[in-house]
Parts: sequence; C-alpha cells; structure tokens
Amino acid sequence: AQKITQTQPGMFVQEKEAVTLDCTYDTSDPSYGLFWYKQPSSGEMIFLIYQGSYDQQNATEGRYSLNFQKARKSANLVISASQLGDSAMYFCAMREGPHAGNNRKLIWGLGTSLAVNP
Amino acid sequence: GAVVSQHPSWVICKSGTSVKIECRSLDFQATTMFWYRQFPKQSLMLMATSNEGSKATYEQGVEKDKFLINHASLTLSTLTVTSAHPEDSSFYICSASFGTGSSPLHFGNGTRLTVT
Repeated sequence: AQKITQTQPGMFVQEKEAVTLDCTYDTSDPSYGLFWYKQPSSGEMIFLIYQGSYDQQNATEGRYSLNFQKARKSANLVISASQLGDSAMYFCAMREGPHAGNNRKLIWGLGTSLAVNP
Repeated sequence: GAVVSQHPSWVICKSGTSVKIECRSLDFQATTMFWYRQFPKQSLMLMATSNEGSKATYEQGVEKDKFLINHASLTLSTLTVTSAHPEDSSFYICSASFGTGSSPLHFGNGTRLTVT
C-alpha cells in the first residue's frame, strides 16, 4: 500500500491565486516528519517546508504553508499568490521515526505537476 | 546553506562502458547519502543508501553489481553504472542530510545519463 498519496497528477492555477496540493500519508509510527519539495524542469530538488508529527502549529515558510490535519493523515501544501515560477512538480515525502536520526530514507509520493497560468 | 554537488550534470556513453557519478557534500559531513533514479514525469525511486565506511544498502530490485556505490569519505559518495545499456539511461540524483531527523535532504543537481 502506498504510504504517501498525491491524488492530483496535474493542477492549474491562475497567477496570483492560491492553490492547494494534496498529500495524504499512512504510518503507524507516532513520530514522523513530512516534507514538501519542488522540482522545476531543470531537475533540481528544492526543499520547501517541513512538518513534524508533534508540531503544534502548521508550518509556514513565506508563501508556502502546510495544512496539517493529523487525524485525517493529510499534509496539504498551500501556495499563496502563485507566480509563474511556481510551475513545477511538487513532491510530498515522509520520514518515519525522525528521532532515530537523519539516515532514515524518505518515502515519496508520485508528485503533482503544477502549471501557473498568466 | 548546505550544498550537495553532483558531477557530471550530463553524460553520454556508449553501450558496454562504465560511468562514474560523484556526489559531494561541500560544507557538511554526510555519513549517509541516498542515490535516486528518476524516469521522466515520475517520482524519485530510491536505489540505495550509501553509508560512509561500509557497504551500501540496496533497495529491492536494484542490481548491486551493476550500480556500484562507494562512500569512502564523509564528503564523497560515487555511483558507478557498470556495463551501461540503453535501458540505464535516466536521471540520477544524490542527496544527503545533516543534523537531526527533521532535517531535509539536500540534493545534488542530478546527472542525466544517456547510453547509446
């Protein structure tokens, strides 16, 4: 069974509008971390935002925020005021048991392709 | 910030030859590095976890004799694609993290391998 599910293969948004990219996860570990990455057509992977399972507040980083609903096991990425440069693939990933250190591998979703229209 | 350097960024080789890809952590020590393969418009597929000073841990289905990984120092891991064939053509990307388990992976810029 997939541990990270991104149900939107492709999304369109108008420039300057907000967009939500969905991510649901499955784990039995009470300690986990969720990451979002952006991959432009150039191929580089850019870290956007992190949410820990014990974090009390939703993570925010500039125009990026994470709508973390623990009971629903969802960690949706919200991009506010979309820009043309936001057009890219977006990946949600999870690391189980982060207390065990940073050598735990990430589990990746299949990604969502976002296109920002002018 | 932390930087991971990957070289080369692209390579074209003939079938049957071997190709080495280097991944360096420039300003931190990485005891663990991860090697991924990515097909067009698909997600990252973890190939192996590279551990400094010990053997790499390969994911199921990845041929360890074909994809040789060496992590000889805390700042360098290499992936060698041996006897490359056209089906090995892909985008290979390495990553590493430092700090705690909440630290993100930092990625190299990837290597686009084309085997003719």
